[in-house]
Parts: sequence; structure tokens; C-alpha cells
Amino acid sequence: QLQLQESGPGLVKPSETLSLTCTVSGGSISSSSYYWGWIRQPPGKGLEWIGSIYYSGSTYYNPSLKSRVTISVDTSKNQFSLKLSSVTAADTAVYYCAEGPTNFDYWGQGTLVTVSS
Amino acid sequence: VMTQSPAFLSVTPGEKVTITCQASEGIGNYLYWYQQKPDQAPKLLIKYASQSISGVPSRFSGSGSGTDFTFTISSLEAEDAATYYCQQGNKHPPITFGQGTRLEIK
Repeated sequence: QLQLQESGPGLVKPSETLSLTCTVSGGSISSSSYYWGWIRQPPGKGLEWIGSIYYSGSTYYNPSLKSRVTISVDTSKNQFSLKLSSVTAADTAVYYCAEGPTNFDYWGQGTLVTVSS
Repeated sequence: VMTQSPAFLSVTPGEKVTITCQASEGIGNYLYWYQQKPDQAPKLLIKYASQSISGVPSRFSGSGSGTDFTFTISSLEAEDAATYYCQQGNKHPPITFGQGTRLEIK
């Protein structure tokens, strides 16, 4: 069974780049069976899909965030990562990594990222 | 756009719960339902509108296709207190979630 774990700074300054990593265990990140994604949830609010990546490196992003988002895979470490540039307070949220093409079967526990000076 | 209703429900244990989700355009059966308890990640309960997930209690079910979908808890239990979300996976990007339904146990 897949297990996912997010890691990264819990505090990011406005205008800087948010960087998170998701470490996958129980399966190979380079398997053609899997898609990998990032979803976020501002405090007290609903879920927002950020983007997803296939093992081949093909990516698709939420148009509302596309200009600021990069998702990539590191097969040597069995990890995938999220970079979100030019952050503002509106990017404060719990960030989840998850597995799935059009639905998400496995989720990490989530990590809170606060954008503040 | 996914329109989910109601936003809040307060229901007595043993009663039936119904939540609806409407898509702004047809999405076939690419509709999923999640349960999220406080400080936990969402958990997939139903896939492809009506398919059950292994390990999920049978009191949870889903129906619908195209634009109109329904999620049902046949007999509410205290442990079902949570927020429930629908999610469409057909017209993407973007993958979109409903606004959520917070379910309170009376």
C-alpha cells in the first residue's frame, strides 16, 4: 500500500517561493500505474487542486495557478515536488500530496504552510 | 464548476443523509466522494459516481451520471461526523471539488 509524506518549510515569506517534497513509499514513483498530485486547503476552507504529474514527466496544472507552479519528479529519491513562486498570504494552506489520475486514492497527512513576513 | 448542497446538515443517528452535487456540464461518471474529518486528509469513499471502495462501510453509496449526482448515508452513525466533498475528474484541467458539506450529528 502506498504511503505519502510531505516535507518542507512551514513558514515562507511573501514574494518568495514555496517548496515542498512528497516522499513515496510502498511503490515506485516511476511506475506507469501512478499519477502524482498536489492539493491544498486554506484554513477553514475547501479543497483546491494545484496540479498533477505522470511518471513520464507530463504535467497538468490548475489554470488559476499555472503561471506560478512547477511540479517535478525525482525518481532517484522516489519523490515528487511542488514549487509555487511569488507567494502571498492567500497561499497559506495545508498542502497535501496525493496519488491518482482523476481521483485521489492515497493522501499524505498534509503540511501547513504559512506565508508571513 | 461543481455545485454541492447543502453546505451544512445536522442529522440524528440512524437517519438517512443525502448530499447532492451538480456539474455545470456533463462529466459522465467521473465523480468522486470524499470524507474529511478534522485535522485529517480526505478519504475516498466512492469512485466513478457509484463504485464502492474496499474497506468503506456499505452504508455509504453514490448515484448519478452526467450533471447530477447524489451521495447517501443510509443510516447515520456518530463516527460519520465530517465534511464531505464531491470532485470531478472529467473536464480537466482543472480537477475541481465541490464546496463541501459539513455533517453534524445531533
